[in-house]
Amino acid sequence: LAKTTQPISMDSYEGQEVNITCSHNNIATNDYITWYQQFPSQGPRFIIQGYKTKVKNEVASLFIPADRKSSTLSLPRVSLSDTAVYYCLVGGDNQGGKLIFGQGTELSVKP
Amino acid sequence: DSGVTQTPKHLITATGQRVTLRCSPRSGDLSVYWYQQSLDQGLQFLIQYYNGEERAKGNILERFSAQQFPDLHSELNLSSLELGDSALYFCASSVESGRGADTQYFGPGTRLTVL
Repeated sequence: LAKTTQPISMDSYEGQEVNITCSHNNIATNDYITWYQQFPSQGPRFIIQGYKTKVKNEVASLFIPADRKSSTLSLPRVSLSDTAVYYCLVGGDNQGGKLIFGQGTELSVKP
Repeated sequence: DSGVTQTPKHLITATGQRVTLRCSPRSGDLSVYWYQQSLDQGLQFLIQYYNGEERAKGNILERFSAQQFPDLHSELNLSSLELGDSALYFCASSVESGRGADTQYFGPGTRLTVL
């Protein structure tokens, strides 16, 4: 399974755009990149998933360069409620369903 | 609300005891996954079931076991409990058999405290 590396923590202020980058140098051809959000004492929540280039939904954007060795989760205009831990995961069809969570990035949004 | 339900929400028990955690997946989801989250270990995958059969195994202790029933709900059994088993236990479900691209929907968790 591809190992991921993310910053342990990040600070931001309300209204700012936040970009969290994840490194996954040994990503396999059939691996997808998925981001989850977790609030304290709650289960992780799916945010966004992509394979290449750019993906966007109502809460975030995901940028994946051509070599796919990294990805960047972009949260536009964060609010206090975006304070959470964000996990980047890499997995493919041949790895079954198990998700390998790294340490995640603890995002703290301040007023 | 993810649609995944877990009971009980909290569980307090003593060392050496046995407990059962229950999970009901989202309607239509065939796969159920169990995860353990403790302060020092983070989120750890334990085991996955797909349509009643064990599909993948992670760092699950021999004292722990799970099963998925015909109605697709799942139970995680923890026995000979130790202090170190205190953690949040999450259940997740997905539609498919566990492809890496499948979105997993997590339940609210069961907080187990072993005294």
